[in-house]
Amino acid sequence: GAVVSQHPSRVICKSGTSVKIECRSLDFQATTMFWYRQFPKKSLMLMATSNEGSKATYEQGVEKDKFLINHASLTLSTLTVTSAHPEDSSFYICSARGTSGNYNEQFFGPGTRLTVL
Amino acid sequence: DQQVKQNSPSLSVQEGRISILNCDYTNSMFDYFLWYKKYPAEGPTFLISISSIKDKNEDGRFTVFLNKSAKHLSLHIVPSQPGDSAVYFCAASIANTGNQFYFGTGTSLTVIP
Repeated sequence: GAVVSQHPSRVICKSGTSVKIECRSLDFQATTMFWYRQFPKKSLMLMATSNEGSKATYEQGVEKDKFLINHASLTLSTLTVTSAHPEDSSFYICSARGTSGNYNEQFFGPGTRLTVL
Repeated sequence: DQQVKQNSPSLSVQEGRISILNCDYTNSMFDYFLWYKKYPAEGPTFLISISSIKDKNEDGRFTVFLNKSAKHLSLHIVPSQPGDSAVYFCAASIANTGNQFYFGTGTSLTVIP
């Protein structure tokens, strides 16, 4: 089946630093990748949709200058949390949709736990 | 505004019995629905889906029922097994638009051996 990986699985950083999270589709090409954020005991909230080779589309309330998304290839999208603060601590999950097969399917990565001290 | 709701944050069921997880949605444009299972610190894994042209879809121990008039869907797991203990999210989307999934808040299922 389709596999999506995320790296790192968890990261702890100091306030003010930037953190990059990678999302890779391992055995398929993903034209579209989605970045979600999950707060404790809350639903997954979509942050942005990224299409390969174009700018990401951010959901309302998500700061595009703070959460930089790059989708440079059909197998890799990155989310960079710039100047991270403790309130950015969360579980970040990416998903990917393939170029073929069921257009309605999304395959999720294992998530990245970010803790900002 | 939460367009997909799971009103039961938790559910406990005895092993071997049926687990019923419920989900309600508000957007009548949604026509494709999915259930995901999620363990702590892991990403969601796909369980089963249903298109609005159907009212039932079955896959092994998992059956999803869709009531469009009530904007309600449910996931039945029978028989429930301890390994089914996880958080279950329902999600809704508008099919073939490539658009986002809207997730419910999840129901934590505990299957008691």
